[in-house]
Amino acid sequence: DAKTTQPPSMDCAEGRAANLPCNHSTISGNEYVYWYRQIHSQGPQYIIHGLKNNETNEMASLIITEDRKSSTLILPHATLRDTAVYYCIVRPPGFQKLVFGTGTRLLVSP
Amino acid sequence: DAMVIQNPRYQVTQFGKPVTLSCSQTLNHNVMYWYQQKSSQAPKLLFHYYDKDFNNEADTPDNFQSRRPNTSFCFLDIRSPGLGDAAMYLCATSREVETQYFGPGTRLLVL
Repeated sequence: DAKTTQPPSMDCAEGRAANLPCNHSTISGNEYVYWYRQIHSQGPQYIIHGLKNNETNEMASLIITEDRKSSTLILPHATLRDTAVYYCIVRPPGFQKLVFGTGTRLLVSP
Repeated sequence: DAMVIQNPRYQVTQFGKPVTLSCSQTLNHNVMYWYQQKSSQAPKLLFHYYDKDFNNEADTPDNFQSRRPNTSFCFLDIRSPGLGDAAMYLCATSREVETQYFGPGTRLLVL
C-alpha cells in the first residue's frame, strides 16, 4: 500500500511557483522520497528523489522536513506543459517496487 | 538518446485472443518491469526481471506472463485477454535498484 498522502488536485498560474506537498509520516530512516509525474496518456517521468537533504535539479527542487515526515516538490516557474499528475513515492533502499498512490493532479492555467 | 521503447503504442485485440506487447531499451539496464494502469488509477506492478530472474507480484493473474530473451528486450504476454484487461501497460527499466525510467506505454483495447 502507498505510504504517502497527497492532495487530489491543485491549481497554479503559469509562471508562478507550484508547491506540491506530500505527507509520509510513517517513513523509515533509510527510505527515499521519489517524485514522478505523468502527463496525460504518457508514461511516468522521473523528476527527483532525496533521502534527508534538500535536492535540486533542472526540473524541480525537493524540500524534505527535518523530521522527514513530509516533503514539498517545487516547480519554480510552472508552464502549461507541467500540467500532469504528480506522484510522491516512498521507497526503501534495495527495494524494486514503486508503489504509486493517488497523486496530485496539477493544473497550470494561463 | 538512451530510452525505453514500447511498441505498439495502441493495440486492439479480441476477447480471448492472445496478445503480446513489447518493450526494448537502450539504457543497458539490468532490471525491467511491467506495470498495469487502468483508467483513472495509478500504475500497479505486475512483475519484473532482475537480470534473468523473474519476479512475479503475488496478485498478478496467471493470465499474464513475461519473457526476457536478452538484456534489451522484454515481452508481456496476455494469454486470454478479458474486458477487464483493457489498460495502459507500462514498461520501465533501472540499473540495479536505482531510479526507474518508464516508456511511453501501450494502450490495450479488448473488444
